[in-house]
Amino acid sequence: KAGVTQTPRYLIKTRGQQVTLSCSPISGHRSVSWYQQTPGQGLQFLFEYFSETQRNKGNFPGRFSGRQFSNSRSEMNVSTLELGDSALYLCASSSGLAGTDTQYFGPGTRLTVL
Amino acid sequence: AQTVTQSQPEMSVQEAETVTLSCTYDTSESDYYLFWYKQPPSRQMILVIRQEAYKQQNATENRFSVNFQKAAKSFSLKISDSQLGDAAMYFCAYRSAGGSEKLVFGKGTKLTVNP
Repeated sequence: KAGVTQTPRYLIKTRGQQVTLSCSPISGHRSVSWYQQTPGQGLQFLFEYFSETQRNKGNFPGRFSGRQFSNSRSEMNVSTLELGDSALYLCASSSGLAGTDTQYFGPGTRLTVL
Repeated sequence: AQTVTQSQPEMSVQEAETVTLSCTYDTSESDYYLFWYKQPPSRQMILVIRQEAYKQQNATENRFSVNFQKAAKSFSLKISDSQLGDAAMYFCAYRSAGGSEKLVFGKGTKLTVNP
């Protein structure tokens, strides 16, 4: 079974631009969660989607948004990029149906904002 | 809100020896799940071990075991017979037993394994 894939793996943008990151979950998984990882703040939850609906949202400004498609693939968008948005963005997928569900993480997208 | 604290930013261990990584958490919930994830330098996060709060028995996975103390809100990870491949960042994480998959992570412990 293929694992969680994220594209692109690396991105360089400039302040003020916007960016879209993509995550393809493991086949059959309906839940996709996004996390931001930085050296200073560690791993912070951005949002979770289940069956195309946002099920939970972290404490991030409205510039961060996401969506999930009917095939469970998910995208997150960051508008008006700031230097502080430079981070590793991880997505994780799971079936989303059972409490003992395991989340499987992708390799991440490394975003650098100049 | 739940919080997870890992008080050891860095740890080191000799190959073949045992090391214990500490984790404490704060929650008012009675039902939840706890996890240890490993993130090697390649950055792919991998689940090491999982513990359901309603289970009194400590989870074990081969050389990895936990010491879960629910009353003390403590969840430490013991790695036995350490191997060079165990070198990584280790993150302790909490998840509520409700419908969301949201994980709350600690800051991590960097484990170095010396040959």
